[in-house]
Amino acid sequence: DAEITQSPRHKITETGRQVTLACHQTWNHNNMFWYRQDLGHGLRLIHYSYGVQDTNKGEVSDGYSVSRSNTEDLPLTLESAASSQTSVYFCASSPGPVGELFFGEGSRLTVL
Amino acid sequence: SQQGEEDPQALSIQEGENATMNCSYKTSINNLQWYRQNSGRGLVHLILIRSNEREKHSGRLRVTLDTSKKSSSLLITASRAADTASYFCATDPETSGSRLTFGEGTQLTVNP
Repeated sequence: DAEITQSPRHKITETGRQVTLACHQTWNHNNMFWYRQDLGHGLRLIHYSYGVQDTNKGEVSDGYSVSRSNTEDLPLTLESAASSQTSVYFCASSPGPVGELFFGEGSRLTVL
Repeated sequence: SQQGEEDPQALSIQEGENATMNCSYKTSINNLQWYRQNSGRGLVHLILIRSNEREKHSGRLRVTLDTSKKSSSLLITASRAADTASYFCATDPETSGSRLTFGEGTQLTVNP
């Protein structure tokens, strides 16, 4: 069955370190998204991509970057992790401009 | 700021009762979606209602949309303990380019 997987599921890192969260989907969806989920804020969009070589900033993109070199993967990089980036990160994909999102199980990141 | 806001923030009912959750939003939308999230898991799509639709059903779920009031409601009939989860509305604003904006969610607890 097609799926979307995130890794690692849990990570603890230190302030200032670079961290990459992986997202891999086998749906062959063009659209991929990264959200962060925090208490009191719901889900907020970090970055998104509508296809290979396409990346766009979302609502809370500062301190994050993404790259899209193929259809299946959209890794999220924190260039220099900060304590404010402690959160649960969700990757999602969708087949087209209108329709449901398919979410991964989340990556819980703690920055000490 | 969040496009969608759910009400109530938390709801506790007995098994067999109906649960109603509301969502209000601020700008014109293409569609509105409802998602469910079990504790520690990713979000799962429940239902999508387009801006030209007023009501939609899926199993025990009934969603209504009132674009004049910029509001939607999700009704779960004959609730079960397994319905315990957080429920989120997500809007696809007309100006967003197909990027969903999520509310903060309603935490539903169904007591056996």
